[in-house]
Amino acid sequence: EAGVVQSPRYKIIEKKQPVAFWCNPISGHNTLYWYLQNLGQGPELLIRYENEEAVDDSQLPKDRFSAERLKGVDSTLKIQPAELGDSAVYLCASSFPGARNEQFFGPGTRLTVL
Amino acid sequence: DQQVKQNSPSLSVQEGRISILNCDYTNSMFDYFLWYKKYPAEGPTFLISISSIKDKNEDGRFTVFLNKSAKHLSLHIVPSQPGDSAVYFCAASELSNYQLIWGAGTKLIIKP
Repeated sequence: EAGVVQSPRYKIIEKKQPVAFWCNPISGHNTLYWYLQNLGQGPELLIRYENEEAVDDSQLPKDRFSAERLKGVDSTLKIQPAELGDSAVYLCASSFPGARNEQFFGPGTRLTVL
Repeated sequence: DQQVKQNSPSLSVQEGRISILNCDYTNSMFDYFLWYKKYPAEGPTFLISISSIKDKNEDGRFTVFLNKSAKHLSLHIVPSQPGDSAVYFCAASELSNYQLIWGAGTKLIIKP
């Protein structure tokens, strides 16, 4: 069974440029999460989707971050414009519906903003 | 304010011995706790979980202990193997709340 797929794996951009990350969850997983992980810290939730609906985006910095999950499968996370402090690993995870269900993580996208 | 704390950034253990990783939390509403393991350049993978109605959960070489009065949990790995070398994250959540609150992780190094 294929796991959570993310691309690109690495991205280097200059500040003020836009950037987008893509995630393909495990087939059948209706719940999708985007996390941000800074060096030496645990993941922090940015947004959670149930199918195509963003049910928790309270921690998404909406002035520069946006996300979509068209058709309830793939998802894209965008930053525009990127700032130096956005340098981090962006993780996507998916799970079956239910708060106690195991979350499966992709390998992440490491973003470096210069 | 860190609700989940892993105070040891790293831990070195001899192969074959017991590894004990610790985690403390401050939110008394947490009722579900998980341990994830992470290798470099990979995403975290689920290892073991425990509900607050239990004080111990075991899965093969991995055992998680929960002390609710002390707001403390620990992960025991016996015996430790070289493949156990990774970063271990403790995470917690409240009932019916999807949001996991994560600790900063402990890097476990198993020495041959």
